[in-house]
Amino acid sequence: AQSVSQHNHHVILSEAASLELGCNYSYGGTVNLFWYVQYPGQHLQLLLKYFSGDPLVKGIKGFEAEFIKSKFSFNLRKPSVQWSDTAEYFCAASQAAGNKLTFGGGTRVLVKP
Amino acid sequence: DGGITQSPKYLFRKEGQNVTLSCEQNLNHDAMYWYRQDPGQGLRLIYYSQIVNDFQKGDIAEGYSVSREKKESFPLTVTSAQKNPTAFYLCASRSTENTEAFFGQGTRLTVV
Repeated sequence: AQSVSQHNHHVILSEAASLELGCNYSYGGTVNLFWYVQYPGQHLQLLLKYFSGDPLVKGIKGFEAEFIKSKFSFNLRKPSVQWSDTAEYFCAASQAAGNKLTFGGGTRVLVKP
Repeated sequence: DGGITQSPKYLFRKEGQNVTLSCEQNLNHDAMYWYRQDPGQGLRLIYYSQIVNDFQKGDIAEGYSVSREKKESFPLTVTSAQKNPTAFYLCASRSTENTEAFFGQGTRLTVV
């Protein structure tokens, strides 16, 4: 079955620390990959997406993600976090030729000022 | 403004009653989705629809039903067969499989 897994449920770090959130998917074939963020009290917003091409994808607010096909991974990174990055982050995937969009379990990130 | 509207924001129902959650989009998107969000479990797919008059079960469809009679609308019915219906429900839509999904604000359903 198609699935998406996120390694960490909770992450706590201080401002200016680097962030890396893991995401693995179990799809075969060509996949589309996404990272979404949900700030407290707000709806889900797209951070970045990967469809094809350069495996290093840059998104909004200084986030980037790297697609590593051999590892079935799409990890999210930010070199220096801010208090405003406190949120829940979700990885998602779908087959390139299909509409089923599956999300991971989410990672709650708390950035201490 | 273009977007996805879910209503109501909060919904309370008695156990044993069916309840229908509304989702409307004016983005002209073909695909629509219903997810359930529970703490620590992320977003789990209930149903999705790729075109009008067609829909597929997601990973946790038991106890739920949907319809897609119009492109703009994808209502979700939580039936009395759903064992644990209290949750936050999110509706989403996207244009094609090679685009991102856009989300509504969600409906928090509490069954007492």
